[in-house]
Amino acid sequence: GDSVTQMEGPVTLSEEAFLTINCTYTATGYPSLFWYVQYPGEGLQLLLKATKADDKGSNKGFEATYRKETTSFHLEKGSVQVSDSAVYFCALSGDNFNKFYFGSGTKLNVKP
Amino acid sequence: DTGVSQDPRHKITKRGQNVTFRCDPISEHNRLYWYRQTLGQGPEFLTYFQNEAQLEKSRLLSDRFSAERPKGSFSTLEIQRTEQGDSAMYLCASTPQGRSPLHFGNGTRLTVT
Repeated sequence: GDSVTQMEGPVTLSEEAFLTINCTYTATGYPSLFWYVQYPGEGLQLLLKATKADDKGSNKGFEATYRKETTSFHLEKGSVQVSDSAVYFCALSGDNFNKFYFGSGTKLNVKP
Repeated sequence: DTGVSQDPRHKITKRGQNVTFRCDPISEHNRLYWYRQTLGQGPEFLTYFQNEAQLEKSRLLSDRFSAERPKGSFSTLEIQRTEQGDSAMYLCASTPQGRSPLHFGNGTRLTVT
């Protein structure tokens, strides 16, 4: 069945460092891919999305490119801030957007 | 757009008791989802509704769990005879018809003692 695998955390970086969080997926058909962010005590918020191969989603300095050939959707940011400290979830939805599957989350800690 | 609202935010109950959670989706969102999230894990699908129809339930959802969405607006999730393993964050999400991402509420944290 459809599934998402993302790198385990926690990831600890200094402010202004480059961030990569790896995400790979298994799916039939043509899934859409998402990154969600969860701040402490809050629900998940959509960070960015891509709905077809080679699409690049971007928001708040974060980017991810839908790579069908490598079944990947890695999250990147050129310069992280302390306020980016949160848990990041990679997710996919199948063709009909009926079901959504989430990875186990990667906790990011950014130190001043 | 007032967002997805869940009530209560926290619930502590003793093993064997019944609990009920409520979710109010974003108005005009006709799809509503329930997920469960345990510590260090991603959200795990439980069930979803399109309007008032419950279209799918996870095989992981035991008979002690039941969800309703009687008028296609708010939804309730009831857990009967709670067990310690039911302790988790219960997340509700909604989405309009079509190819749209999920919008999550802040969740209800259940602790079974």
